[in-house]
Amino acid sequence: QKEVEQNSGPLSVPEGAIASLNCTYSDRGSQSFFWYRQYSGKSPELIMFIYSNGDKEDGRFTAQLNKASQYVSLLIRDSQPSDSATYLCAVNYLRRNYQLIWGAGTKLIIKP
Amino acid sequence: DAEITQSPRHKITETGRQVTLACHQTWNHNNMFWYRQDLGHGLRLIHYSYGVHDTNKGEVSDGYSVSRSNTEDLPLTLESAASSQTSVYFCASTGAGEDTQYFGPGTRLTVL
Repeated sequence: QKEVEQNSGPLSVPEGAIASLNCTYSDRGSQSFFWYRQYSGKSPELIMFIYSNGDKEDGRFTAQLNKASQYVSLLIRDSQPSDSATYLCAVNYLRRNYQLIWGAGTKLIIKP
Repeated sequence: DAEITQSPRHKITETGRQVTLACHQTWNHNNMFWYRQDLGHGLRLIHYSYGVHDTNKGEVSDGYSVSRSNTEDLPLTLESAASSQTSVYFCASTGAGEDTQYFGPGTRLTVL
């Protein structure tokens, strides 16, 4: 079992719809959860972080954390073609001295 | 503006040669990290440093070394480059007590 798992996609979503990206992790001691966006040929850039169970909203983005089920998700409302990118989930791991462990990413395609 | 830079951006080298990739940040961050990114694997930690003269091995450290002589720089050295080290390399940094990482633009290394 991978420590941080994401569906590699691609996930295709029509413009204006809600894109839902999911990530599961295996370490119950994890405390911090991050979503990064990475355009092709570019470096990862932070979208959101979340520490507590529940939802956290920032503009069109909502991060959802469920520690009991060990998953974190990212919702993108009113998806735009500029949202087309690979989305990386990262989790800090107690067993790794709280180093960030990264999922392989989900490729999102927003179709006009 | 504070930033993190990497050089070179692209490098082609031959098997067996020593290669050094530079990383420089002007945020005065204590913590610096080197990752490699390969298709299907996400970001994998090579080495990291929590301050001057501190270095630690990550999950894929074999064949790589780092040194930290000042706060701003963490150069990554490939002692004897191998074709398996063909990858995109990212440097990241974060401030003391923080876990949100900020990335440099990356170096694409090809070992022939």
